Amino acid sequence: EVQLVESGGGLVQPGGSLRLSCAVSGFTFSSFWMAWVRQAPGKGLEWVANIKEDGSEKGYVASVKGRFTISRDNAKNSLFLQLNSLRVEDTAVYYCARDTGWSRFDLWGLGTLITVSP
Amino acid sequence: QSALTQPASVSGSPGQSITISCTGSSRDVGNYNFVSWYQQHPGRAPKLLISEVHKRPSGVSNRFSGSKSGNTASLTISGLQAEDEADYYCCSYAGDHAGVFGGGTKVTVL
Repeated sequence: EVQLVESGGGLVQPGGSLRLSCAVSGFTFSSFWMAWVRQAPGKGLEWVANIKEDGSEKGYVASVKGRFTISRDNAKNSLFLQLNSLRVEDTAVYYCARDTGWSRFDLWGLGTLITVSP
Repeated sequence: QSALTQPASVSGSPGQSITISCTGSSRDVGNYNFVSWYQQHPGRAPKLLISEVHKRPSGVSNRFSGSKSGNTASLTISGLQAEDEADYYCCSYAGDHAGVFGGGTKVTVL
């Protein structure tokens, strides 16, 4: 059974940091790009970042460049997102998704909520 | 990376067909045949409905179809059913491994 399970969300103050994890099972993790997509409360989806199969290429939406870092551990079938210098506007549910290429997200986790508040 | 433009809401009666538009630019929708559509029910994760403009993944009803003309992509739901009431999002490849979503469309079945 395919599973993507995010963890690491929570309440953090502005300027703080968090590290999200996504544990993957049910497919060959090391053969796929992976991505993080977020959704602010009551708002739409926003692509945040993605990473190539071997971690050699990464992409970020402009609003998080320099603050967020995507990484992966293929030996542990895990995807990560390090979030630094968090802002109130980063409050969202963060989804881990499999990116089969060209921004085609065919598998999604259930998401983990990050709330940035004083 | 500006968000793609979708109507905020679309409604229809059971059995009818509705179409949701998704307008981008020559940097995304108009430049790549890599537009995907997602369905999201409240409190649930998004589900891939259409990829590469018009391709349906296995298991997705053939009542969902996609097309594209210029900078605008469209999702058509035919034979509208109560279970189709959800939010729908388009997404386009925008180059340099980046993606851009639309703002979302709430579909209401009257």
